Amino acid sequence: DAGITQSPRHKVTETGTPVTLRCHQTENHRYMYWYRQDPGHGLRLIHYSYGVKDTDKGEVSDGYSVSRSKTEDFLLTLESATSSQTSVYFCAISDRTANYGYTFGSGTRLTVV
Amino acid sequence: AQSVTQPDIHITVSEGASLELRCNYSYGATPYLFWYVQSPGQGLQLLLKYFSGDTLVQGIKGFEAEFKRSQSSFNLRKPSVHWSDAAEYFCAVGVRSGGGADGLTFGKGTHLIIQP
Repeated sequence: DAGITQSPRHKVTETGTPVTLRCHQTENHRYMYWYRQDPGHGLRLIHYSYGVKDTDKGEVSDGYSVSRSKTEDFLLTLESATSSQTSVYFCAISDRTANYGYTFGSGTRLTVV
Repeated sequence: AQSVTQPDIHITVSEGASLELRCNYSYGATPYLFWYVQSPGQGLQLLLKYFSGDTLVQGIKGFEAEFKRSQSSFNLRKPSVHWSDAAEYFCAVGVRSGGGADGLTFGKGTHLIIQP
């Protein structure tokens, strides 16, 4: 989607290794979110940010950490990847709050082997 | 906490026929409500949203949804589907509290199949 880029688009990693996913936006939006999408579960919120250095946990935050040192970048880190973290990860941004709707990135497909 | 239920995992509709996708939410007050669509391998696109006022909201691609408080529902409709409507559809709810920065809650999705 225009204005929001996720990298990498695909990644295969081994169990126990650290992994960092990047979300980059050019919209200067305040709010950024990380979701994971799994079959039968829809989208579940991992972490979100409401400003630089301001982050909080979502529904499924165990095993994940985030950082936001600049408005445009929101990083999601799996400290020690596990097979249960194999998923598609989506970043979303919003210029006000989540209640005004998101713009989603195209997703990162992560496979942990 | 709020929750969203999409009762139908899969729905098959003939091209040109009408469509209704069901969404029920659980929340103590009037929530913000959304429908998103996801094409294969893509991110999610906002179809429409309800905040307040007129309970029938119009969205993009010819979709509409109706908020019914008495039934805690926000069903998505389209009078005549096209093959390009085949996708995954997600209903989502946001709560009216604080700054609302705590994210939307999504249903598990309905997979729409269009028959020729």
